[in-house]
Amino acid sequence: ETGVTQSPTHLIKTRGQQVTLRCSSQSGHNTVSWYQQALGQGPQFIFQYYREEENGRGNFPPRFSGLQFPNYSSELNVNALELDDSALYLCASSFSGDYGYTFGSGTRLTVV
Amino acid sequence: KQEVTQIPAALSVPEGENLVLNCSFTDSAIYNLQWFRQDPGKGLTSLLLIQSSQREQTSGRLNASLDKSSGRSTLYIAASQPGDSATYLCAPYNTDKLIFGTGTRLQVFP
Repeated sequence: ETGVTQSPTHLIKTRGQQVTLRCSSQSGHNTVSWYQQALGQGPQFIFQYYREEENGRGNFPPRFSGLQFPNYSSELNVNALELDDSALYLCASSFSGDYGYTFGSGTRLTVV
Repeated sequence: KQEVTQIPAALSVPEGENLVLNCSFTDSAIYNLQWFRQDPGKGLTSLLLIQSSQREQTSGRLNASLDKSSGRSTLYIAASQPGDSATYLCAPYNTDKLIFGTGTRLQVFP
């Protein structure tokens, strides 16, 4: 049973650029969530996808968008990058949140 | 709005001690609560999942309790080891998301 895999592991972007982060869900999971973790803080919920539909969103602006594909993998897209977007981005998958979440190793995004 | 508080924020102990990490949350309408471990710069590793109908869960040297009505969960670590050094995060699950506190940063020294 493979876990949650994220790519890339590290990324450096310039302010104003766009970025796409990728996540492969754990086998058998149909729900994927994305979290942003700033240094020294707990993860903050960005949004969740269930069967390719967004079914929950946190307090993040529309320039944060996502997709879930038929194989339950997912992308997080961030447009017009700002310096404050620098963070660790975590992907988590679940077979319904009632059974707990499995997290990936994260993508460290640095915006300069 | 769910808010999560973890006490203490940091803890430094000699190995062998039994530890208690506390988590409180403001909204008791949760489905479950997970405890995670995070090593510096890494992702989250799930330690224990407690369903809302359960009172506690155990895995090895770890035991977590849940009192949903009072909005509290406690993680007990028995006979701590230097390898337990990490940040520990609790996260209650409401409807569609996990809500995290800022965690307890634990250092166990030989």
